[in-house]
Amino acid sequence: GAVVSQHPSRVICKSGTSVKIECRSLDFQATTMFWYRQFPKQSLMLMATSNEGSKATYEQGVEKDKFLINHASLTLSTLTVTSAHPEDSSFYICSARSLGTGEGYTFGSGTRLTVV
Amino acid sequence: LAKTTQPISMDSYEGQEVNITCSHNNIATNDYITWYQQFPSQGPRFIIQGYKTKVTNEVASLFIPADRKSSTLSLPRVSLSDTAVYYCLVAPFYNTDKLIFGTGTRLQVFP
Repeated sequence: GAVVSQHPSRVICKSGTSVKIECRSLDFQATTMFWYRQFPKQSLMLMATSNEGSKATYEQGVEKDKFLINHASLTLSTLTVTSAHPEDSSFYICSARSLGTGEGYTFGSGTRLTVV
Repeated sequence: LAKTTQPISMDSYEGQEVNITCSHNNIATNDYITWYQQFPSQGPRFIIQGYKTKVTNEVASLFIPADRKSSTLSLPRVSLSDTAVYYCLVAPFYNTDKLIFGTGTRLQVFP
């Protein structure tokens, strides 16, 4: 089946610094990828839709200047958390669609971000 | 986008069959129903997908009535490793539309 690789799986950063998370579709091309955030014991919350070659579409309430999304190629989307603060600590998950597999959307393994 | 409603949590014992029902009253004609499983600190994993009637694969069955306003995920003979959160999602198959997650059902399997 389709595979989405997400790195890093875990990152700890100091408050005020920036962190980049990568999401790669390994065996298919993804013109659209999605970024989610998940707090403990809660469901996934969609942050933004990443479109290859164009600007991302952010959900209401998500700061686009804080969560920078770049989708420079058909297999790579990145999420950069800028000037991170402890409240940004969360589990970030990316997803992509592979129409050829019949399995719908494939998700990355997630990135646990801890801001200290 | 069709909204889904599931029980918040369910308990079961090893070896039992577990049925989790999802309600999606405003499902559209071109929407498919997909179930995902999520373990702690992992991304959701595809379990099964269907449009109508019954679909079965090596891990689960999906039952969808004729009106498609609900669906039931059936897990035969659960084990401790089936303890996870299960999400029901409804979205068009041929359009790459965003997936909006509901609360999911937290299944706890006891020995």
